[in-house]
Amino acid sequence: AQSVTQLGSHVSVSEGALVLLRCNYSSSVPPYLFWYVQYPNQGLQLLLKYTSAATLVKGINGFEAEFKKSETSFHLTKPSAHMSDAAEYFCAVSAMDSNYQLIWGAGTKLIIKP
Amino acid sequence: DADVTQTPRNRITKTGKRIMLECSQTKGHDRMYWYRQDPGLGLRLIYYSFDVKDINKGEISDGYSVSRQAQAKFSLSLESAIPNQTALYFCATSDLGQGGTGELFFGEGSRLTVL
Repeated sequence: AQSVTQLGSHVSVSEGALVLLRCNYSSSVPPYLFWYVQYPNQGLQLLLKYTSAATLVKGINGFEAEFKKSETSFHLTKPSAHMSDAAEYFCAVSAMDSNYQLIWGAGTKLIIKP
Repeated sequence: DADVTQTPRNRITKTGKRIMLECSQTKGHDRMYWYRQDPGLGLRLIYYSFDVKDINKGEISDGYSVSRQAQAKFSLSLESAIPNQTALYFCATSDLGQGGTGELFFGEGSRLTVL
C-alpha cells in the first residue's frame, strides 16, 4: 500500500523567491508520482509526473520535481515564484499493488507575497 | 469542449432533497471516479468504477450512490441531502491501457450547497 505526506498545509514565499513544496511517499513497490495544481475556483490539472524514466521531471509553468528513492521524496520546486503561482498543490502516488489507484496528500496552499 | 464535463457546476438545495451530479467524458477511459473536496481535507474518494459493470465504494460512500450508465457517463446521487454534504465534487477518469500510470483527468467540479 502507499501513502503520501505533504509537509505544510500553507507555504508562503515572496514573489521572485524559490518555491519548495515537500512531498514524501511510502510504497513497497516502484511508484508513479504526481503533482497536481488547483488554481482558485478551478479543477485540478497535472503539473508533472514521474514514471520511472528520468528522476528529474520538468512540468508546466517552470516547475520541476526530483524523485529521490533513498529519501522517498518527490519535492516540487520553482526557482522564482510568480503571483500567478498562488494555488493549492497536491502530491499523489500510484503503484501496481494498489491497482494504480491514486493516493493523495492533503495538499499545500502556496501563498505568494508581493 | 472539456474532455470531462460535470453538470451542474453550481447547485444550492435544501436538506432532504435528492440531488444528482452528472459526469460525462470523451476520453474513452474505462475508469471513472467521484471525489469530494473540503477545505483542509484534500480529496476524498466517494465511489469509483473500472467499467460499466463494476462499481466500488471509496472511503466516504455513506449517503451517496452512483450509476454508471455507459462507459462515458457516471452519475453521483445524494438521496437525501444534508448540510455536511456541502462541498466541491469532482469527477475524474483514468486509462489503464498499456503504459498506464493511474493519472487522473478531472472535470471542473460541481459546487454543492445544502441549506
